[in-house]
Amino acid sequence: DAGVIQSPRHEVTEMGQEVTLRCKPISGHNSLFWYRQTMMRGLELLIYFNNNVPIDDSGMPEDRFSAKMPNASFSTLKIQPSEPRDSAVYFCASSRGLNYGYTFGSGTRLTVV
Amino acid sequence: SQQGEEDPQALSIQEGENATMNCSYKTSINNLQWYRQNSGRGLVHLILIRSNEREKHSGRLRVTLDTSKKSSSLLITASRAADTASYFCAAHTLSGNTPLVFGKGTRLSVIA
Repeated sequence: DAGVIQSPRHEVTEMGQEVTLRCKPISGHNSLFWYRQTMMRGLELLIYFNNNVPIDDSGMPEDRFSAKMPNASFSTLKIQPSEPRDSAVYFCASSRGLNYGYTFGSGTRLTVV
Repeated sequence: SQQGEEDPQALSIQEGENATMNCSYKTSINNLQWYRQNSGRGLVHLILIRSNEREKHSGRLRVTLDTSKKSSSLLITASRAADTASYFCAAHTLSGNTPLVFGKGTRLSVIA
């Protein structure tokens, strides 16, 4: 298994632009999580899905953030419009279930200038 | 789930020494997990220990769990420079199916 695959690895964009981050979870994992990591705040949970259904998006910082999981093998996190304070590393993780270990992707380093 | 609090925040040791990191949590748990993060990479799952287990081993890693003290420790024996990383703990609570919440971690530096 190739693990959790995230794309792109790096993204540099100008303030106000739309940014879409992508994630392919491990086949057979039915839980998917989006986290954001910064030096100041550490790892923050943004949203998670169970069987493709969003369960809790209370960690999404603002309405500018949205996430979808149209099928079991793909999820997106979109920021529109992007702002410099959104600069962070965004991780996607998947799991066989909420009480199992998580497999993380390599992350997307987002820089908004 | 609840956030684990790792201690110390940073630890620096010589190669070959043992490294011990601690984790505390607040409520009853189903399981507790330890993860490692190398610089610029995603977290890697190391060990999951269930609430009815007291100790678990994986290679040079030993994890203990004391539910009466609501604490866990991760011991890395005979450390290597490649063990340099941040280590995180997180716990699943008994109360429901909620995702893991991570603390700030322990930054381990192993000096060759």
